[in-house]
Amino acid sequence: DAKTTQPNSMESNEEEPVHLPCNHSTISGTDYIHWYRQLPSQGPEYVIHGLTSNVNNRMASLAIAEDRKSSTLILHRATLRDAAVYYCILRRGGGSNYKLTFGKGTLLTVNP
Amino acid sequence: GAVVSQHPSRVICKSGTSVKIECRSLDFQATTMFWYRQFPKQSLMLMATSNEGSKATYEQGVEKDKFLINHASLTLSTLTVTSAHPEDSSFYICSAGSPYEQYFGPGTRLTVT
Repeated sequence: DAKTTQPNSMESNEEEPVHLPCNHSTISGTDYIHWYRQLPSQGPEYVIHGLTSNVNNRMASLAIAEDRKSSTLILHRATLRDAAVYYCILRRGGGSNYKLTFGKGTLLTVNP
Repeated sequence: GAVVSQHPSRVICKSGTSVKIECRSLDFQATTMFWYRQFPKQSLMLMATSNEGSKATYEQGVEKDKFLINHASLTLSTLTVTSAHPEDSSFYICSAGSPYEQYFGPGTRLTVT
């Protein structure tokens, strides 16, 4: 599986935008980019996913570089409830491959 | 969104005993479920893929005779930790869903004394 690299931690202020980067220089053409987050003592939660184009949903936006070697998860207005570990994961597409391999993720701290 | 439940949420057991953890998909059918383990301050580690009606597929280094998985129906998978030892104490999490969106259970905290 292709690897992702994320900063260990980031800090933001409440109600400000947050840009969480992810590098995946060995991504292949069929790899989907997934983001999940995990609040303390809970199971992870789906945030967003994309393949080539930028994606928006009610939780966040995903900006994918043109060469797909990096992506950025954007939280438009951070709240205290967004404090979590954010995982950027590549999943090989095709067939019925569901497998997710979690890296270390980025611990996001949101200051009031 | 779809919901995945786990039971129990917490369990304490004595060394040498077995513990069963249930994972249920509440409002959808899941032919495939996943079991993860997470130690404190570490990331999730995939243990096995549970397939309805067939044997589970275990990740390298995971003992299949110790971590028994049964996926007896389209909404239920169970993980049994046999002859538990203190080093098996961990947070166990299951997931189910589609390749594009996985739903995770709330986790089961296992403590072996």
